[in-house]
Parts: sequence; structure tokens; C-alpha cells
Amino acid sequence: QVQLVQSGPEVKKPGASVSISCKTSGYTFITHGITWVRQVPGQGFEWMGWINAKNGHTNDALNFEGRLTMTIDTSRSTAYMELRSLKPDDTGIYYCARDNMELVDYWGQGTLVTVSP
Amino acid sequence: DILMTQTPLSLSVTPGQPASISCRSTQSLLHSDGKTYLYWYVQKPGQSPQLLIYEVSTRFSGVPDRFTGSGSGTDFTLKISRVEAEDVGVYYCMQSVQLPLTFGGGTRVDIK
Repeated sequence: QVQLVQSGPEVKKPGASVSISCKTSGYTFITHGITWVRQVPGQGFEWMGWINAKNGHTNDALNFEGRLTMTIDTSRSTAYMELRSLKPDDTGIYYCARDNMELVDYWGQGTLVTVSP
Repeated sequence: DILMTQTPLSLSVTPGQPASISCRSTQSLLHSDGKTYLYWYVQKPGQSPQLLIYEVSTRFSGVPDRFTGSGSGTDFTLKISRVEAEDVGVYYCMQSVQLPLTFGGGTRVDIK
């Protein structure tokens, strides 16, 4: 069965960086991309970006002003998301989801990121 | 960006009764490939979103047939023919015809 398992909760201070992993199993990693979405309390879901798991090509949302980096490690069937220069507004739950550009189907369990002085 | 608007904000439903959720987009979700990229997800308490419906009306694997999606262009509907206790959660529509992917604000369904 398809599974996406994310790394655990993080607490960070403003200005720091956070890195979240998304380990996949149950399918051939390079056949699907990975989309990253965050859920901020009171603001709903926000798409962050997408990475092609075959070649590492990315599309990311303009909102993050160059603070976002998405990478993959095909040997580990794992995707990574790093967000830098964290602000309190970045507090939320971060999700990875399997995405072949026609279907966004399975989601990870989410990673809570708390940004607080 | 395409704005997705869901109504109502919440529904309280007696078990066995139907429920209906509307989703409207500010642009057509019909892609040049002929497909309409409108999804429905449910987020049950404490869980991540689960895919129910994709391309307007196709049920995802394992989704009961009491869930039906319909619509075209900019107007879409999710119907639950007979709500069950396990259907409690927040339902979201999402579009992927254009980046960025955007989501409706959610409709909370609970049981009377």
C-alpha cells in the first residue's frame, strides 16, 4: 500500500530553518512527483510547491520569496522540504502528497511546525 | 490564482439523511486535455486529507458509492446520499488545472 511518512514535529525560533522529510513506500518513487502543502490555522490550505521525483525539477509558489527548497533522494524514496528565515506566520501543519500532475492522491500524516520566540 | 468558494460552512446531518456541498471556482477548471481537475477531500479529526473524488466525479479507490461528485466548468457539488457517523469531518474541494493548486475553505459535516 502507498504510504508517505513524514518526520516529527519541530519547534523553531524566528529566523531559523526547518527541514521536513517525506519517506515514501508502496510505489515506484520516480513515477510520481511530490507536492508540499501547508495548513495554517484560520487560513486553510496553501500550496507550497511540487517536485518531479524523476529529475528534481521544481515549481514553487511565489509567496515563499526564495525561502523554500525542495529536494529528493531517489535512493531513499524520500522527498525533503526546507523552509528558511522562519516567521511566526509559518506556524502550521506541513504535508507532502503524491502528485503525478493529474492526481494528488495520498498524503503524509503531516508535520507540525511551531515558530515561536 | 483561482479562488475556490465552498458553501455551506457547516452542515449538521441526521444519520441516513443526504448532504450536499457546493464548490465554485473563479475560472473554469476544464483543461485543454479535456479533463476537469476538481477534487474532493475529507479531513477527519486529527488526520490528513483523504481523497474522495477526482476529475469531478471519479471515486477514488475504496470510496463508498454514497459519495457522488458532479458539475462542470466552475460549479461543482459533492453529495452524500446517506450520511453515516464515519463521515464526520471537514470536506474540501481543490483545483489543479492551474498552479498554484488552491483549496476551498472547507465545509464541516457533523452528526445531529
